[in-house]
Parts: sequence; structure tokens; C-alpha cells
Amino acid sequence: KAGVTQTPRYLIKTRGQQVTLSCSPISGHRSVSWYQQTPGQGLQFLFEYFSETQRNKGNFPGRFSGRQFSNSRSEMNVSTLELGDSALYLCASSLGDRGISGANVLTFGAGSRLTVL
Amino acid sequence: GENVEQHPSTLSVQEGDSAVIKCTYSDSASNYFPWYKQELGKRPQLIIDIRSNVGEKKDQRIAVTLNKTAKHFSLHITETQPEDSAVYFCAASMIETSGSRLTFGEGTQLTVNP
Repeated sequence: KAGVTQTPRYLIKTRGQQVTLSCSPISGHRSVSWYQQTPGQGLQFLFEYFSETQRNKGNFPGRFSGRQFSNSRSEMNVSTLELGDSALYLCASSLGDRGISGANVLTFGAGSRLTVL
Repeated sequence: GENVEQHPSTLSVQEGDSAVIKCTYSDSASNYFPWYKQELGKRPQLIIDIRSNVGEKKDQRIAVTLNKTAKHFSLHITETQPEDSAVYFCAASMIETSGSRLTFGEGTQLTVNP
């Protein structure tokens, strides 16, 4: 079955612009999580969406937002970009049903590498 | 919130030797501990995970041990091969409340020299 698909894979923006990243989860997975990966900070949790609702949120400013559609596809948006937002943004999907063994196992996409100039 | 510390940050071994990576966590409520392997330029991939009701789990050359009292868990790779070279991340979460929210360690760059 198809894996987690992220688009675009690479993008370059300038400070002050905004960006939208897309993630298509594995078929049947209802949970989509977003992580920011940087050399200095490692993998940092941004937020999780399950059945179109934000279920968890990390410690990022309000410039970072997301949403999930009825087909479980998710988008994340970063507004007013800063140089420090340059990172690899990883999306991960899982079944998401809490309490079911294996339902929280994450499968990552290849990521969207954002460079802010 | 949860905090995960991972050591060492870099590890170099000879092919055939064993490698051990250690992590400690802060939240005693955490009950799920996965390990991810990320090869250069690729996505993180789950290699093994363990839940708090189990003390050890093995999968071929890979094993993970968990000490709930001390709040630490370790990844053991035996008979290392050059293809084991990658960055390894440990993580922790509480399944019932955190769901897919994993707190990751900062990673260990493992290099296996032929």
C-alpha cells in the first residue's frame, strides 16, 4: 500500500512569507502528526490531528497551524516566516485509535525541506 | 512535560561489534518507547518498540531493554554491519493521553566501520 506522501519536497521562501505543506496519510490511518526536525533541536512535535480535530499541540507559536480534511489528508501552514523556521517538516500517520495495540505506531513521510532566506 | 535524554550523541564501532544507545525519560507515566532509525537523507523508520509492561524485547540483532524504576531504556545492536550506520532516535509517550505525540531524544549518530 502507498506510504505517507508529503508535498512539496523542497521549497524556498523569504522572511515574512507564508507556506502550506501537505500530507497524505496511509489509507485507513486517521491520525496525522507533524514534527519539525532541525540539527540543533532534533524532532519536535508540532500537532496531531485525528478525525479532523486537533488532538494534541506542541509548544510552537501560533504562526504554526494545521488542519485535517475528511479524507484524513492534512495541511500545515506557517505564516510570517522567520529564518529559524528553516527545517525538515515531517508528517507521520497512524491508525490513531487509542487503546488499540499498535494504533499509535507512526509511519513517517519523506518530509518537506523548507529554507527561509 | 516529558523530557528524553539520549547518549551518546555519536558512536563509532567496528563491524561485528555490539552497539548500545541509552535513553532516560522524566515522566513516570510514559508507557510506550519506540526507536527510530534515520539513514542519511531518508525518513525515520520504526525499528523496534517496547511497552512498559515488558522489560525486554528482541528482533533478530536488535533488542531493547526497559527499566521503569530507573526510567531508562536502551537499544542494543549485536553483530553490527555497515548498513546499520544511521542516526537512531529514542522516544517516549503515554499512549492513553499523548497518542501520537512522541518526545524524542536528540539522536545518536552510529557509524559502523568495515
